[in-house]
Amino acid sequence: DIQMTQSPSSLSASVGDRVTITCRASQTISTYLNWYQQKPGKAPKLLIYAASSLQSGVPSRFSGSGSGTDFTLTINTLQPEDFATYYCQQSYRTRRTFGQGTKLEIK
Amino acid sequence: EVQLVESGGGLVQPGRSLRLSCAASGFTFDDYGMDWVRQAPGKGLEWVSGISWNSGNIDYADSVKGRFTISRDNAKNFLYLEMNSLRAEDTALYYCARGSFDSSGFYYTFDSWGQGTLVIVSS
Repeated sequence: DIQMTQSPSSLSASVGDRVTITCRASQTISTYLNWYQQKPGKAPKLLIYAASSLQSGVPSRFSGSGSGTDFTLTINTLQPEDFATYYCQQSYRTRRTFGQGTKLEIK
Repeated sequence: EVQLVESGGGLVQPGRSLRLSCAASGFTFDDYGMDWVRQAPGKGLEWVSGISWNSGNIDYADSVKGRFTISRDNAKNFLYLEMNSLRAEDTALYYCARGSFDSSGFYYTFDSWGQGTLVIVSS
């Protein structure tokens, strides 16, 4: 199976900051990479697909980049509602594995 | 509006079985693949199993292969997960998720999720 590794596991930031979360695949996955946001007690929400395509309705302060094995999720000008846990997921194989998550907390 | 409603969770003893259901509405069910994703308490997301629109392609995580069976009833708009030989480590909130290809037909995402059903495996 393809292993997905996110870093950092957690980070603290302030409203208005720019943050970057990275995700690394154990083998090349082209751009078959999705990002999800999950808030406590809620189901995950799709943010980014195909590494850099913004899902409909997602604010433009979210962006994704990368290909091959290394990917990033960037959030510009953090808003209070962005404090959540973020997961990457590969869709290169049918066993669509997730990263372990990055918890974004308020500093 | 897309709705996915899971049911069937509960407290079950190790070694026993449980069947989860996911009722889908608000979209043409047999146009989409469907998947199960679980989340152990305080932990991350783990993909469990997926099934294509016509049940022609099915796959499982190694952690459940041979014990869990995914199926769907396109006439009734239901997704199922039959879980046998349950273990303590299967304790989790189980989500059903709609699998959707983008307009290119290449990129697959989970674009809608239910709220989950909780399975607790304990004696």
